[in-house]
Amino acid sequence: GESVGLHLPTLSVQEGDNSIINCAYSNSASDYFIWYKQESGKGPQFIIDIRSNMDKRQGQRVTVLLNKTVKHLSLQIAATQPGDSAVYFCAENQAGTALIFGKGTTLSVSS
Amino acid sequence: KAGVTQTPRYLIKTRGQQVTLSCSPISGHRSVSWYQQTPGQGLQFLFEYFSETQRNKGNFPGRFSGRQFSNSRSEMNVSTLELGDSALYLCASSQVGLAGAETQYFGPGTRLLVL
Repeated sequence: GESVGLHLPTLSVQEGDNSIINCAYSNSASDYFIWYKQESGKGPQFIIDIRSNMDKRQGQRVTVLLNKTVKHLSLQIAATQPGDSAVYFCAENQAGTALIFGKGTTLSVSS
Repeated sequence: KAGVTQTPRYLIKTRGQQVTLSCSPISGHRSVSWYQQTPGQGLQFLFEYFSETQRNKGNFPGRFSGRQFSNSRSEMNVSTLELGDSALYLCASSQVGLAGAETQYFGPGTRLLVL
């Protein structure tokens, strides 16, 4: 599947491929991380989250990996579908502070 | 459960005017946070309200203010509008808010255009 090095603004994949979207977070004290999906004209939609005491968490067709050593977060989407086309944001949070969002990666899926 | 709702969805104002945006959180959620989204700056935190009190505030000028009512509904106000205030304003709700580092659920946003 296609993968991205540390944050690229766009990612283009073929339907059925696996997609990997990467995110570098800034605060080593962050203990909660979320991936959001935002479609055109809509607000961000929760996809999956992970806490800092975990390295990996799986959902339906999605997996989030957390590497605290290098402050890196990734979202893996299996068997990418056209409906997955959207902007994907990672967000980090430390209890008591505001969510900090990454710049976003636009995923384009062609059939 | 109904999701987060925001009204109005679209708004056009002129420089110098003021605007009030409304947000109704998910039932049972007591925290409401507001964000500004622009192509250049991305998603930026404005403020959070919990039990009618502002609990956290981002780095925005005093022209941006908000309040929360006893039913957890929230409004944000922008006075003396500037062209740079054109943005998508998003509201997010959660049960305990930023204090608990939990998932925030977003509304569809209000698209504000300042002419």
